[in-house]
Amino acid sequence: TQLLEQSPQFLSIQEGENLTVYCNSSSVFSSLQWYRQEPGEGPVLLVTVVTGGEVKKLKRLTFQFGDARKDSSLHITAAQPGDTGLYLCAGVGTNFGNEKLTFGTGTRLTIIP
Amino acid sequence: NAGVMQNPRHLVRRRGQEARLRCSPMKGHSHVYWYRQLPEEGLKFMVYLQKENIIDESGMPKERFSAEFPKEGPSILRIQQVVRGDSAAYFCASSPYPPILSSYNEQFFGPGTRLTVL
Repeated sequence: TQLLEQSPQFLSIQEGENLTVYCNSSSVFSSLQWYRQEPGEGPVLLVTVVTGGEVKKLKRLTFQFGDARKDSSLHITAAQPGDTGLYLCAGVGTNFGNEKLTFGTGTRLTIIP
Repeated sequence: NAGVMQNPRHLVRRRGQEARLRCSPMKGHSHVYWYRQLPEEGLKFMVYLQKENIIDESGMPKERFSAEFPKEGPSILRIQQVVRGDSAAYFCASSPYPPILSSYNEQFFGPGTRLTVL
């Protein structure tokens, strides 16, 4: 069974600060996705990283896939209240028949104005 | 260009009743996934269906839960004789491609159905 552990589980910071969320596993993934989920809604895909070491930027959000494709990080610069939400990483397995998404445990982010 | 639609958004059932959750995938998508989410937790995979076929039901409880995706109409997740432990948010996601054809396996999620069992 592939597991994805996210840390921290909860994070509350002031507007304007920087933060990093981590997604770790002992398993290798063919790709890894990050989602943001707001209360009462479904997850919304933010980015997909595929290549080991890949870095993608989405405005103030920077996503990195680990060299070994076992871990990923999400860095937010100058956080804003609109960044508040539940951040989920999800990995796609590498084996035939195991391509379904495995979701991480989630990081609940609160940005205080 | 409607996204994934789920109904009802909220469903209240008493113990022992049946719950039926519906999911209409995005237009052109023939691959549907169901997930369950408990409060403050991530999503847990339940079942993957294509039209008229269950492809992977490894995440489905062995009893009381069933899913279908008929040739016409929405996908249905059915929970018989509900218990309090079934209370959760149930999300449906759809994709235009089977996972094997895309290493991305990007999925588009509906707003979820929040099931409360009294």
